[in-house]
Amino acid sequence: EDQVTQSPEALRLQEGESSSLNCSYTVSGLRGLFWYRQDPGKGPEFLFTLYSAGEEKEKERLKATLTKKESFLHITAPKPEDSATYLCAVGYQGGSEKLVFGKGTKLTVNP
Amino acid sequence: NAGVTQTPKFQVLKTGQSMTLQCAQDMNHEYMSWYRQDPGMGLRLIHYSVGAGITDQGEVPNGYNVSRSTTEDFPLRLLSAAPSQTSVYFCASSYPTTGLNTEAFFGQGTRLTVV
Repeated sequence: EDQVTQSPEALRLQEGESSSLNCSYTVSGLRGLFWYRQDPGKGPEFLFTLYSAGEEKEKERLKATLTKKESFLHITAPKPEDSATYLCAVGYQGGSEKLVFGKGTKLTVNP
Repeated sequence: NAGVTQTPKFQVLKTGQSMTLQCAQDMNHEYMSWYRQDPGMGLRLIHYSVGAGITDQGEVPNGYNVSRSTTEDFPLRLLSAAPSQTSVYFCASSYPTTGLNTEAFFGQGTRLTVV
């Protein structure tokens, strides 16, 4: 059973069409939930860290929220340059400094 | 600011050959790790290190060795390459804090093909 599940696997939006990506997790004792952006041929680039339920972080058109069992990455009025794969990862008690990654959501924003 | 530097960027190996993937960071991070990324599988942890002289296995350690003689460097060794090790490899580093994970910084990756 996957500890971190992201949905949908792929999402295609029109420019300006807002939507949300989901990351659900089953680990206990969350030590941090991370969102990364990955462009083709590049390494993951850090976006946000969330530590406790109710926490929210924003950056430009992106807003990340956290509940006790899932996180959402809201994308408001996306632009083509937001096209990328978005990865979610969690650190948890008993996992030391290890991160467990979801398989990612590939976002395509059409002009 | 170099961050995390991986070399080489691309490599083709024949089955049975050995090689070392290099990873260096200049942020004085204690924690370093190696992941492999395969289509449909996400990022999977191979080995990690919480400091110089300390290493441990991750989710998929078989066929790989690591060592950590300095804070800056964390090389990954393939002793006898197999086609199943064809993948993109990422090195990451972070600065651990008590009780919480902090964000990991990733290198640009090494694309390895074993034929």
